[in-house]
Amino acid sequence: QKEVEQNSGPLSVPEGAIASLNCTYSDRGSQSFFWYRQYSGKSPELIMFIYSNGDKEDGRFTAQLNKASQYVSLLIRDSQPSDSATYLCAVNESPGNTPLVFGKGTRLSVIA
Amino acid sequence: KAGVTQTPRYLIKTRGQQVTLSCSPISGHRSVSWYQQTPGQGLQFLFEYFSETQRNKGNFPGRFSGRQFSNSRSEMNVSTLELGDSALYLCASSSPTGGGNIQYFGAGTRLSVL
Repeated sequence: QKEVEQNSGPLSVPEGAIASLNCTYSDRGSQSFFWYRQYSGKSPELIMFIYSNGDKEDGRFTAQLNKASQYVSLLIRDSQPSDSATYLCAVNESPGNTPLVFGKGTRLSVIA
Repeated sequence: KAGVTQTPRYLIKTRGQQVTLSCSPISGHRSVSWYQQTPGQGLQFLFEYFSETQRNKGNFPGRFSGRQFSNSRSEMNVSTLELGDSALYLCASSSPTGGGNIQYFGAGTRLSVL
């Protein structure tokens, strides 16, 4: 059973701080890793994807991947109240041919 | 480019009825995946269609079925509805990239079973 684990939260951070969201996965064969943001009552929206070990930065967001530790994280710098949402981690075993496995998400609350 | 379109957005049904949900993928995307999202279970994979063929299937009973048409539009059907089928049903379309299969979600269909 392939599993993706996330702390359900809520994770509360003050406005302007760095929010750190973590995700672990069970399948060592996993190749692709995604972070989605989901606002209450809305559908998931892709924020970032990462395929290689290390860091990948996009604006205020940084994804970090450590395949040896089976760990992927998302850092949000200068957190804003508009970042308050549930963040879903998703993992794909091999490119294109297997379904994404989602964690249950971490609820982030940014306090103004 | 238009996004993933799901219809209807909301549905109310009673136990025992059946329901059909529709999904139109992003133009050029040939893969369509369906998910069920509930507060307790999160996002659970139902099935994936690619070029009119079911390529992957999750662990749902046979009451849940789907199909894909030649224009890549997809439908999913749930027969003999149960109260526990109340959920947000999400469709995602994807196209292979260099390293993975990036999925883009529609707005979802919220199904309430009474």
